[in-house]
Amino acid sequence: DTAVSQTPKYLVTQMGNDKSIKCEQNLGHDTMYWYKQDSKKFLKIMFSYNNKELIINETVPNRFSPKSPDKAHLNLHINSLELGDSAVYFCASLAEGSYEQYFGPGTRLTVT
Amino acid sequence: RKEVEQDPGPFNVPEGATVAFNCTYSNSASQSFFWYRQDCRKEPKLLMSVYSSGNEDGRFTAQLNRASQYISLLIRDSKLSDSATYLCVVPFSGGYNKLIFGAGTRLAVHP
Repeated sequence: DTAVSQTPKYLVTQMGNDKSIKCEQNLGHDTMYWYKQDSKKFLKIMFSYNNKELIINETVPNRFSPKSPDKAHLNLHINSLELGDSAVYFCASLAEGSYEQYFGPGTRLTVT
Repeated sequence: RKEVEQDPGPFNVPEGATVAFNCTYSNSASQSFFWYRQDCRKEPKLLMSVYSSGNEDGRFTAQLNRASQYISLLIRDSKLSDSATYLCVVPFSGGYNKLIFGAGTRLAVHP
C-alpha cells in the first residue's frame, strides 16, 4: 500500500497556465507538507497543514494556494505558472509526536 | 551562517571504504537531528535520528558534537547501494514540526 501518494508524477505545461497537484496519505497523520526541490536539489518547505488548518506558510508567491479538504489530503494549486516554478514538488506527512516525515514520490513540474 | 550547512560533494569512494560527512547547524538550542537519504529521482527517507551523543545502526554511525555544533555520518564498508544524497536535517527552533533540510552531500560508491 502506498503511504503518501501524489498525482500527477510528471507535469509539463506552458507559462501562464494554471495547474494542480494532489496528495493523499493513508497513514492517519495529522500534519502534511508541501516542499519544493529545485535544480540545485535544495529542499524547501512551502506549506504545512495540521488537521486542515494552515500552520506554516513560507515566503511563497500567492500564485501558490494549498487546500486541505480533509486531513488525509493536501492539494497545491498554482496559477500563472512561470519558468522558475519548474522543480520537483514533494508532499509529506508527519505523525503526532514524531519528527519522521514520510514523503510522496514527488511531482516533476516542467514549465516551458 | 546558514541554518544547516553540508559539503555538497560528491564523495567518490570505492566499495568497502569508510566515508564520513559533516553537517554544521546554527541553532545551538537544537536537541534532535536527523539524516535522511535521497536516491536519485526519488523521495527523501529517514535514515537515522540523533538525540544525544550519537546513534549506531549497522554500518552507519551518526555522532553529535554540541560544542562545535556539528553532526557527522560515518558509513563503514561502503556498498554500491549506498550511493545517494545524504541530507542533514534539523528541526526549526520555532516549532510547528518544521524541518530545515541541508542541501545534501552526494555519495557515489564505485566498484
